[in-house]
Amino acid sequence: NAGVTQTPKFRILKIGQSMTLQCTQDMNHNYMYWYRQDPGMGLKLIYYSVGAGITDKGEVPNGYNVSRSTTEDFPLRLELAAPSQTSVYFCASRPGTSGWGSYNEQFFGPGTRLTVL
Amino acid sequence: GENVEQHPSTLSVQEGDSAVIKCTYSDSASNYFPWYKQELGKGPQLIIDIRSNVGEKKDQRIAVTLNKTAKHFSLHITETQPEDSAVYFCAASNALGYSTLTFGKGTMLLVSP
Repeated sequence: NAGVTQTPKFRILKIGQSMTLQCTQDMNHNYMYWYRQDPGMGLKLIYYSVGAGITDKGEVPNGYNVSRSTTEDFPLRLELAAPSQTSVYFCASRPGTSGWGSYNEQFFGPGTRLTVL
Repeated sequence: GENVEQHPSTLSVQEGDSAVIKCTYSDSASNYFPWYKQELGKGPQLIIDIRSNVGEKKDQRIAVTLNKTAKHFSLHITETQPEDSAVYFCAASNALGYSTLTFGKGTMLLVSP
């Protein structure tokens, strides 16, 4: 298994440009997440999905959109890039529905470093 | 919503010493507390977790303790090695719901040879 893969690894955008960050997992996980990581600020949840066709906002959703048409893919869309969106973005997934056990482990991708100038 | 505070933000130890990282949480409904390790340029990886019905859990050189009354939990690393150098994040969630994690701000651990 490749696990969680993200593309691109790095990207520089100009203010006002748009882009899609790609995330794919091959573990047949129901749950998928997008986080942003700013220096010294931990990971903040942007959006998450509990299954194909179902998405919900996290703590910092403004300026972003997501879709989940398949179990494997969970792209994150930035419509009008702003300098405040300069960050490292991580996608994660986990199996199961709810409840105890290893179902709660989130598996993270390697991240996308985005700079908006 | 949940709020997780993590201390210290940086921690420097000598190889062989012990390291302790502490976290507090605010939501009494939280019942699952994982710890993630993030090496430079990589995504976080789960190293140990604990559920609210357990007070302590060990896995070789790492252990986690939980005090539900005080709403705090701690990561203990014994006999530290240079390869333990990384950023460590604590997190909390209600595992019986949609289980979104709230992360602390992280602790950069540096183990010097």
